[in-house]
Formats: sequence, structure tokens, C-alpha cells
Amino acid sequence: AQTVTQSQPEMSVQEAETVTLSCTYDTSESNYYLFWYKQPPSRQMILVIRQEAYKQQNATENRFSVNFQKAAKSFSLKISDSQLGDTAMYFCAFMKPIYRGSTLGRLYFGRGTQLTVWP
Amino acid sequence: NAGVTQTPKFRILKIGQSMTLQCTQDMNHNYMYWYRQDPGMGLKLIYYSVGAGITDKGEVPNGYNVSRSTTEDFPLRLELAAPSQTSVYFCASSYPYDRVVEQFFGPGTRLTVL
Repeated sequence: AQTVTQSQPEMSVQEAETVTLSCTYDTSESNYYLFWYKQPPSRQMILVIRQEAYKQQNATENRFSVNFQKAAKSFSLKISDSQLGDTAMYFCAFMKPIYRGSTLGRLYFGRGTQLTVWP
Repeated sequence: NAGVTQTPKFRILKIGQSMTLQCTQDMNHNYMYWYRQDPGMGLKLIYYSVGAGITDKGEVPNGYNVSRSTTEDFPLRLELAAPSQTSVYFCASSYPYDRVVEQFFGPGTRLTVL
């Protein structure tokens, strides 16, 4: 079974500073994807960044970047120049194809990290 | 383009009542999913569908039923509601030919069973 662990229930950071959220996962799969989703108080799940396991290069999206360590099964999210609008619950998620070679995927989520950005 | 829409936004049920949560997407996605999010937890997959007429169980299907008669709609049926089904329910969809495999989520339905 796939498990995703987020060991930090809560984090806080001052505006404009950098913060890193941790995530580890457990799987025997070789073909999978990793995601960070943001859930603000509106409850909407918003994709922040994705990483394909076969790619060694870490993904980046503007102020968001990941540190993907495949051997260690670690997938941390770094938020640079934190903004007040980054305040949200952040979920790390693992996805493996339900059928081999397909894009139909089952997402497994961690329990989330509540990030608060203060002025 | 509204994306994934869900109705209702909130609902309170009494134990033993039934209801249907509606989900519609206008992105012509073949794949659709239902997840539930319990307090303080991540989302768990209830059911999924690869196209009209084809559905399958996810991780936590007990107490739920689904149907998929069109590409756009994927309703979730709760029969004999129980307090354990108090949760936030999310519908999602994805495009089978998208290499990025992103799932797009609706805004969720908060259900309370008393």
C-alpha cells in the first residue's frame, strides 16, 4: 500500500521569507507522480506543483520548488518570498496509474501541513 | 468554462436518509473521481470512472454508489446515511491523453449526518 507522511502539522513563516514543507512516501512502484496541492479556507484544491518520478530534475513553478530525493522517498516543497496569500493547508500527494501505462491515477494524500504566513 | 462543479455546497442529513451529490465537468474529461476528506485528514478515493457506463471502486466505497450515464456527469449516491459519512466530498476529473495527469477538483460538498 502507498502511504504519504507529512510530519509537520503546522508551520509558520514571516512574509518574504522562505519555508520548506516536508513529505515522505512509501511505495514499491517505479512509475509514479508526486504533487503538492494547496487548500485555502475556501476548500478548493489547487495544484501547486508536480513531479514525475522518472525525471531527476526538480520541478519549479515561480516561487515554488521541490527537492525530490527518489532513493530516500522524500519530496519537500520550498516556498520562496512567502506571501500572505500562501496561507493554506498544503497536501503532499502520490499518484500511481491504476492501469499500467495509463494516465488514470489514484491519488494518495498525506494529512496536510497548515502553513500560516504572517506580516 | 466552469471546470468541475458540485452541488449542493452544504447539506445536513439525518441518520438513515439518502441523497445524491451532483458533479458535472465541462472539460470533456473521460476520467472522473470521487474523494472524501475527513477532518484533519487527506483525501481518500471512493469511486472512479473511466467513461460513460464504466465505474470502479476506490479505497473507501462502502455506503456509496455511483453511476456514469454521460461524459459530463458523475453523481454519488449515499444510501442510509450514517454519522461516519460526515465529511467533505470532492469530485475531480482528468484527461486521459494529458501527459501531465493532473486531476482538476470541484469546490467540494460539506455533508453532516446527525
